[in-house]
Amino acid sequence: DTGVSQNPRHKITKRGQNVTFRCDPISEHNRLYWYRQTLGQGPEFLTYFQNEAQLEKSRLLSDRFSAERPKGSFSTLEIQRTEQGDSAMYLCASSSYRNTEAFFGQGTRLTVV
Amino acid sequence: AQSVTQLGSHVSVSEGALVLLRCNYSSSVPPYLFWYVQYPNQGLQLLLKYTSAATLVKGINGFEAEFKKSETSFHLTKPSAHMSDAAEYFCAVSDRNTGNQFYFGTGTSLTVIP
Repeated sequence: DTGVSQNPRHKITKRGQNVTFRCDPISEHNRLYWYRQTLGQGPEFLTYFQNEAQLEKSRLLSDRFSAERPKGSFSTLEIQRTEQGDSAMYLCASSSYRNTEAFFGQGTRLTVV
Repeated sequence: AQSVTQLGSHVSVSEGALVLLRCNYSSSVPPYLFWYVQYPNQGLQLLLKYTSAATLVKGINGFEAEFKKSETSFHLTKPSAHMSDAAEYFCAVSDRNTGNQFYFGTGTSLTVIP
């Protein structure tokens, strides 16, 4: 069990550019979550997958954000036309079945300049 | 809808003193409850969880929490603080019926004074 892996750990991008982050969950986990965390705040829910199906998406999520989990294994989160307000830590988590704890990755810190 | 309130965004204790971090939840039915710890530039690590068994839950690193339905609380305690406990602590809740997401509080930053 290597835990949840996220890449890259850090990303600096210019405003207006597109970025993509990857998350590799724990291998037997069928549930995958994306969260965003800004300084001094708790993680904010973005979206949730069960296997390859995206079952829930935050209403606060801009159309510039899209997530996929094509084969029910790894997931990608893409942000198009980045804005300075997108600067945050993006956290991925996975769990084996509903209502157990989520295991978090180290996160990807995005800085938009 | 689920929500979590953490009272006190910053808590300072002396090394060896009792640690008490407060968490209250709002839910129509008793949810599942969690405490996570986060060190700088790291992800979240689970300290302990309450799912429906014993109301006093023991976790890692000497932490424990008690679920009190009448008070809708799940406060985190540790009898004796250690310097290594300095970190950000988050209380979280999930709906036991859907479990589709975890709702986090805004966190409590714990400082341990030598």
